[in-house]
Amino acid sequence: QVQLVQSGAEVKKPGASVKVSCKASGYTFTSYGISWVRQAPGQGLEWMGWISAYNGNTNYAQKLQGRVTMTTDTSTSTAYMELRSLRSDDTAVYYCARSVGATGLADYWGQGTLVTVSS
Amino acid sequence: EIVMTQSPATLSVSPGERATLSCRASQSVSSNLAWYQQKPGQAPRLLIYGASTRATGIPARFSGSGSGTEFTLTISSLQSEDFAVYYCQQYNNWPPALTFGGGTKVEIK
Repeated sequence: QVQLVQSGAEVKKPGASVKVSCKASGYTFTSYGISWVRQAPGQGLEWMGWISAYNGNTNYAQKLQGRVTMTTDTSTSTAYMELRSLRSDDTAVYYCARSVGATGLADYWGQGTLVTVSS
Repeated sequence: EIVMTQSPATLSVSPGERATLSCRASQSVSSNLAWYQQKPGQAPRLLIYGASTRATGIPARFSGSGSGTEFTLTISSLQSEDFAVYYCQQYNNWPPALTFGGGTKVEIK
């Protein structure tokens, strides 16, 4: 069965960076993309960006351009999301999701990783 | 950027009743519209894609309709496990750029 298992919770200080991992199993990793979505406490879902696991092409949300980098390691079927220059309003649960083909439809989701930014 | 607007923000429904949730796109997304259910402390779960196709394992009481800019999610007879927040999402861009609505909370009346 398709599974996406994310790394554990993180606590970071403002200005620091965080790197969240997402290990995929149960499907051919390079046949899909990975989208990253975050959810601030009590708020809705915010799309952060997408990466093709086939060729590494990316598309980032404009508000995060310059602070976010998404990568994949096809040898371990793992996707990574790094967010730099963290601010308090980056405190959120970060989700990875498998993205289907050209549509980017997110069909299976990881369990989420809580990132807390606090001094 | 395509903006997705959901209404109402909160819907109070009694168990066994029908629930109708709406989602509007600021421009046409064709049928590239999905619905997700999210319960507290859990990741979103895909319910509907292609505006009207149920995802694997989703009960028949969930149905989606619409195309272009107006979409509806209907839950025909609410069960206790259906009380949750529902999000619509468009995926009509290339390269992929997903946009979510603000969500509708379905609560027990």
